[in-house]
Amino acid sequence: NAGVTQTPKFQVLKTGQSMTLQCAQDMNHNSMYWYRQDPGMGLRLIYYSASEGTTDKGEVPNGYNVSRLNKREFSLRLESAAPSQTSVYFCASSEAGGHYNSPLHFGNGTRLTVT
Amino acid sequence: RKEVEQDPGPFNVPEGATVAFNCTYSNSASQSFFWYRQDCRKEPKLLMSVYSSGNEDGRFTAQLNRASQYISLLIRDSKLSDSATYLCVVSQAGTALIFGKGTTLSVSS
Repeated sequence: NAGVTQTPKFQVLKTGQSMTLQCAQDMNHNSMYWYRQDPGMGLRLIYYSASEGTTDKGEVPNGYNVSRLNKREFSLRLESAAPSQTSVYFCASSEAGGHYNSPLHFGNGTRLTVT
Repeated sequence: RKEVEQDPGPFNVPEGATVAFNCTYSNSASQSFFWYRQDCRKEPKLLMSVYSSGNEDGRFTAQLNRASQYISLLIRDSKLSDSATYLCVVSQAGTALIFGKGTTLSVSS
């Protein structure tokens, strides 16, 4: 039972490079999320998708784009990486078609360094 | 005032101790409450949901006080394996889950 799978686990980028973080869940969840976690800042929501075909901005969306490819997959793209995007990125999913009252299941995380 | 606040700790306790964490939230419309556990360099994992009537899961007890807008987590008979960061999570209808910054617990032998 894989749950939420993120790739890659580690990535080093140079400023200005682009990359896509992949996320897939096999729990038939409706909602998917991307968070970033920085020391002293806690988990902050970048984007979320309440259901297939919809995406919405979270707290810190600038510099990122997302695609809900299908019910299983939700990708996060950095078009032009900046050092401020150095962080640990977590993908998560939840059963409900929104955030309300539905706990999140997280992937293992992607550790991204932008030099 | 931040939406969800936790004492960052660290809380350093011996094995067998009882320890309690509090978390305050600012939005009285908050409706769902959770405690997550996060081990070093790992993903957060759901520890327990918090219900209005309070709930218990083995050595862990969670309480909600809506009047004072805080939730608590009590850990009895602490184990070495309880060492982790505990995240308080709050949500309102139709909005994102808001995470606290976490409280670090270190249990020593």
